Amino acid sequence: GDSVTQMEGPVTLSEEAFLTINCTYTATGYPSLFWYVQYPGEGLQLLLKATKADDKGSNKGFEATYRKETTSFHLEKGSVQVSDSAVYFCALSDSTNAGKSTFGDGTTLTVKP
Amino acid sequence: DVKVTQSSRYLVKRTGEKVFLECVQDMDHENMFWYRQDPGLGLRLIYFSYDVKMKEKGDIPEGYSVSREKKERFSLILESASTNQTSMYLCASSLSGMSNQPQHFGDGTRLSIL
Repeated sequence: GDSVTQMEGPVTLSEEAFLTINCTYTATGYPSLFWYVQYPGEGLQLLLKATKADDKGSNKGFEATYRKETTSFHLEKGSVQVSDSAVYFCALSDSTNAGKSTFGDGTTLTVKP
Repeated sequence: DVKVTQSSRYLVKRTGEKVFLECVQDMDHENMFWYRQDPGLGLRLIYFSYDVKMKEKGDIPEGYSVSREKKERFSLILESASTNQTSMYLCASSLSGMSNQPQHFGDGTRLSIL
């Protein structure tokens, strides 16, 4: 079945540091890939997505590229801010899986001033 | 913007009670989902509905049931609440038939069973 493996956290960075959160996946079909963010006390919200190989999703300074050859979708940001402190989830949605998504376990990011 | 509204942010119930968690979405989405979120365990799918009156078990359906009488509303029912059901519950919705559509989440209900 489908699975998503995320870099284990927690991750602690200083403001303006470079961020990478690794995500790899296995899927039986041709998945779409997503990053969601969960701020304290809230539900998940879509951060960015990519629907086919070599697509790059981007939003709020975050980027991720759909790499089919390495089955990866790593999240990056060049300069993090304190307000980026949150839990980040990598997920996939497979056309063979009736609309359901498979989520990674989440990575907690804390950015210190 | 899609809005998914969960009826309560915080709820405290007693062991053995029947508990109802309500979720409403305003974008005519066919798919609706209930998850629970626990520290170290990520998101786990409890139940999924792809149409009115249609439901499918997720990964951890034991002790739960669901109801979808109208397209916009998806209810999660704890038949006889137990302390191990203390958790954060998240509802989500999405368009059907298209794997490139994201899920839209409510803000969650933090449920405590005493």
